[in-house]
Amino acid sequence: EDKVVQSPLSLVVHEGDTVTLNCSYEVTNFRSLLWYKQEKKAPTFLFMLTSSGIEKKSGRLSSILDKKELFSILNITATQTGDSAVYLCAGNNNAGNMLTFGGGTRLMVKP
Amino acid sequence: DADVTQTPRNRITKTGKRIMLECSQTKGHDRMYWYRQDPGLGLRLIYYSFDVKDINKGEISDGYSVSRQAQAKFSLSLESAIPNQTALYFCATSDGLAGGYNEQFFGPGTRLTVL
Repeated sequence: EDKVVQSPLSLVVHEGDTVTLNCSYEVTNFRSLLWYKQEKKAPTFLFMLTSSGIEKKSGRLSSILDKKELFSILNITATQTGDSAVYLCAGNNNAGNMLTFGGGTRLMVKP
Repeated sequence: DADVTQTPRNRITKTGKRIMLECSQTKGHDRMYWYRQDPGLGLRLIYYSFDVKDINKGEISDGYSVSRQAQAKFSLSLESAIPNQTALYFCATSDGLAGGYNEQFFGPGTRLTVL
């Protein structure tokens, strides 16, 4: 059974801090790892990672995948209150876009 | 207009009632999914459909059924609702191109409470 575990479960930081969110996975016939941000309701897509060691970056957010150690990290630099959300990672297997989600990390950024 | 819509957005019902949640999309995607989200458990897949004639069970399909009425519509039914089906339900879509390995786009969610 595929499994994705995220840590920490929750995190409280102050604006300007840098945070690292962790995602480890056990996915049979692994294809890719996806990160989503969930604020009030619907998760919104952040990154899809398929290759080890290649950083994907969008503004203050970046993510990297290690397929040997089976984990990914999501970094957020210079955090802002608008970064407060639940961050979800999901593993995708070769069965055709079947996503297994982790439980999420709840990030709160205080002013 | 939202690309993926869900109705209703909130629903309170009683144990034993039949409930239908509906999802529509204007993205032109062929793949559609239903998930439920419970606190601390992330999203778990209930059913998915890769085209109109294709229906597949996900991780937690017991107590649920689905219907893919058209490419743009995918409904989820609870034949006899029970309290542990109280959750936030999401519909999602993805493009079948590139082998289907594309991001999924989520609807706004339906909060269902079963009393």
